[in-house]
Amino acid sequence: QVQLVQSGAEVKKPGASVKVSCKASGYTFTSYDINWVRQATGQGLEWMGWMNPNSGNTGYAQKFQGRVTMTRNTSISTAYMELSSLRSEDTAVYYCARRHYDFWSGPRFDIWGQGTMVTVSS
Amino acid sequence: DIQLTQSPSFLSASVGDRVTITCRASQGISSYLAWYQQKPGKAPKLLIYAASTLQSGVPSRFSGSGSGTEFTLTISSLQPEDFATYYCQQLNSYPWYTFGQGTKLEIK
Repeated sequence: QVQLVQSGAEVKKPGASVKVSCKASGYTFTSYDINWVRQATGQGLEWMGWMNPNSGNTGYAQKFQGRVTMTRNTSISTAYMELSSLRSEDTAVYYCARRHYDFWSGPRFDIWGQGTMVTVSS
Repeated sequence: DIQLTQSPSFLSASVGDRVTITCRASQGISSYLAWYQQKPGKAPKLLIYAASTLQSGVPSRFSGSGSGTEFTLTISSLQPEDFATYYCQQLNSYPWYTFGQGTKLEIK
């Protein structure tokens, strides 16, 4: 079935980097943008950015510019999100989500990964 | 940036009630609005897209309406499994997407 499976939980020290993976299956990986969304404990959803797996083009929310990098490996249908210079405020669950688009209805995030907990603590 | 404001932020209701959640955009977004349901410890689940199109497999008691700057999500008859947090999302300004702050629906 169509799914996104993310890597496991991470614990990092302040100032370090983390790289989260998101493996797609059940569909053509290069046909749909992958977006990343995070959620701090007890808080709302925060959109971080997008990546086109076909071209590798990316776009990042201004808040994360300079700290986030989204990449992919098409041979294994996997997207990555790397966040650097981690601080305690980056402690959150990080989700990848597939952006589905059609001409009649436009876009939506129809498939989500299960989430990856990233804890930043000294 | 387009801002989304949901109301109310918290809603207490009973099984069988009809509830409505509102999402207002800071500028017009046509019908490029989606609604998601999130339960504790789970990823968000797409309920409605294009403001009023029900995602496959979602019960028909969920409905959405609106265009421009004002949108609503309605649950016609609350079921026990509907108690969750609901988020709206604007997808007008490709590819810069934002979410509302969420509405937590609790059992009265």
